[in-house]
Amino acid sequence: GENVEQHPSTLSVQEGDSAVIKCTYSDSASNYFPWYKQELGKRPQLIIDIRSNVGEKKDQRIAVTLNKTAKHFSLHITETQPEDSAVYFCAASQTGANNLFFGTGTRLTVIP
Amino acid sequence: NAGVTQTPKFRILKIGQSMTLQCAQDMNHNYMYWYRQDPGMGLKLIYYSVGAGITDKGEVPNGYNVSRSTTEDFPLRLELAAPSQTSVYFCASSYRDSSYEQYFGPGTRLTVT
Repeated sequence: GENVEQHPSTLSVQEGDSAVIKCTYSDSASNYFPWYKQELGKRPQLIIDIRSNVGEKKDQRIAVTLNKTAKHFSLHITETQPEDSAVYFCAASQTGANNLFFGTGTRLTVIP
Repeated sequence: NAGVTQTPKFRILKIGQSMTLQCAQDMNHNYMYWYRQDPGMGLKLIYYSVGAGITDKGEVPNGYNVSRSTTEDFPLRLELAAPSQTSVYFCASSYRDSSYEQYFGPGTRLTVT
């Protein structure tokens, strides 16, 4: 099955700086890559996703890039704010599949 | 819409006890999922359902059972609780398969002692 690795496990940045979280996947058939944000004690929520027919997607301060050849994808958060502090999970799946494979998470702390 | 709801929020079980975690969604989603989240780890799929009357195993199904008698409800049953089942359990639903956004419930924190 699919194996998703995520780095780093913890990340601290100053407010206003950028944060980058990286994930690799093993199954070349995977074609859907979502990112979920989980605030402390809360449920995971989708913040952005990308499909393998595009290389980059942006939504205001967040962006995701995908390199299919190298089988890795990254989350970029610019102009970080304290409310960005949370655990971020990457995941991988295939169209038509029923299993979403998650990375182990990155705890992002934005220092005011 | 309430979205995805779960009960209870917290539960402490003794080894060998049984319990059912309840999950319901009001978004008319066909697909529903049960995950467990261990400390410092990502979510692992326990069971999923693609519609009423249809369920199948995920990555970590041992020790659990599910049923799906209606589109709205997807309960998870633990028959003989073990300490290894101490975890946070999340139910989720989606419009279609796992390449669509999954909407998560608030979670159930279960401790088995």
